[in-house]
Amino acid sequence: GESVGLHLPTLSVQEGDNSIINCAYSNSASDYFIWYKQESGKGPQFIIDIRSNMDKRQGQRVTVLLNKTVKHLSLQIAATQPGDSAVYFCAETLLSGYSTLTFGKGTMLLVSP
Amino acid sequence: NAGVTQTPKFQVLKTGQSMTLQCAQDMNHNSMYWYRQDPGMGLRLIYYSASEGTTDKGEVPNGYNVSRLNKREFSLRLESAAPSQTSVYFCASSTPGTAKNIQYFGAGTRLSVL
Repeated sequence: GESVGLHLPTLSVQEGDNSIINCAYSNSASDYFIWYKQESGKGPQFIIDIRSNMDKRQGQRVTVLLNKTVKHLSLQIAATQPGDSAVYFCAETLLSGYSTLTFGKGTMLLVSP
Repeated sequence: NAGVTQTPKFQVLKTGQSMTLQCAQDMNHNSMYWYRQDPGMGLRLIYYSASEGTTDKGEVPNGYNVSRLNKREFSLRLESAAPSQTSVYFCASSTPGTAKNIQYFGAGTRLSVL
């Protein structure tokens, strides 16, 4: 899991490096997953999503990998930039019927110039 | 495009005071949500409204009430504020049941209860 009480897990990288942020989700029945980015003082912002019938999905500079066997998601950010510094959350839900999102506790990404 | 608008942005209350946090969305979304976010924690769902005319409790509803005023507006009320309610509150909206359950968030209300 991600929670460390008051202190978020933190990943520190240099500008230009590739970043990998991990997330363990809780419900084996979840079939839809979303990554959010939250910059300081702002609300969470959608980055990328993936359905459970996929293992990988790519966006612009970001890739999400899904391993249903171990209930694990990862977000890969290529050529990380200082503007990528933020807290990243994964969220899980069910596509069928009505289901709310369950959020992970987040990982802070710090990018040094 | 305004998206999800929350007011006020900041608020300081004394213990026992009441207040209402306002939220409006202009994306014609069916569902709206209220979350609280505490340091080092993820987002915890307080209440949600799956559609106009319905509201349901989330993970942490105690001490709060909500009103889905119309399709656009969803307010959160603290009847008697307590220091434990010091937090950042986020409103979100979405249209579940479509291809995406993506929730879109407002900028937040930062509340301190003294």
